[in-house]
Amino acid sequence: DVKVTQSSRYLVKRTGEKVFLECVQDMDHENMFWYRQDPGLGLRLIYFSYDVKMKEKGDIPEGYSVSREKKERFSLILESASTNQTSMYLCASSLGSYRVYQETQYFGPGTRLLVL
Amino acid sequence: GENVEQHPSTLSVQEGDSAVIKCTYSDSASNYFPWYKQELGKRPQLIIDIRSNVGEKKDQRIAVTLNKTAKHFSLHITETQPEDSAVYFCAASTHGQNFVFGPGTRLSVLP
Repeated sequence: DVKVTQSSRYLVKRTGEKVFLECVQDMDHENMFWYRQDPGLGLRLIYFSYDVKMKEKGDIPEGYSVSREKKERFSLILESASTNQTSMYLCASSLGSYRVYQETQYFGPGTRLLVL
Repeated sequence: GENVEQHPSTLSVQEGDSAVIKCTYSDSASNYFPWYKQELGKRPQLIIDIRSNVGEKKDQRIAVTLNKTAKHFSLHITETQPEDSAVYFCAASTHGQNFVFGPGTRLSVLP
C-alpha cells in the first residue's frame, strides 16, 4: 500500500517568512509532484521531479522552489511567503513515466497553509 | 500548454440515476487521462483512468470514454449512491509527467 505523507496538516506563517513543506513517499517512486488546490481552480501543478536532483516547472512555479536530495523526499519551499500563497498544498508521487501503468498518482493528505 | 475544461461544475442527481461529467483537453500529445474523487477533507483518490490507445474502460458502476479526435473524455457513473457524493476531477498528462487538472465537479446524490 502506497503511503505518501506530508510534514504538517496545518501551518500558519507570517508574510515574508521562509516556509518548508515536506513530502515523503515509501514506495521507491521516481516521480513526485507538488500541487496547490484552490476552490474553483482544481489542482494546479507547481513543480514535479522525475528523479533525484531533477525538477521541472509546472503551471505556477513563481514564488516557489523545490528540492529533491533523496528519492523518497520532495520539499516545496516558499522563499518569502505572501498572502496569495494561502492555499491547500498537495504532494503526489507515481512509479514512473513513459511506461504504461506506472502513471498513477498517489496523493498525500495535504497541508493547509495560512499566510497572515 | 495543455488546458483542461470540465463541465458541469455542480451536478445533482437522484439516487439510482446516472451521472455524466465531461472534460475537454487541448494538447493532442496528452495520452493519459485519470479521474479522481475527493471527499470532503480527504485526499484525491484515483477511481479510473484511460490511455489514448483505448476508447472506453469500465469498472463496475464507473466507466470512462475517450474521443481523441474531438479531444474529450467523459466519466459515467451508473446507479448512483449517496456515497458517490464528492468532488470529481479529470486530468490530462503526457507520459505521466506534466498533469493538468480540470476545475472539478461537485456531485450530490440525493436520497
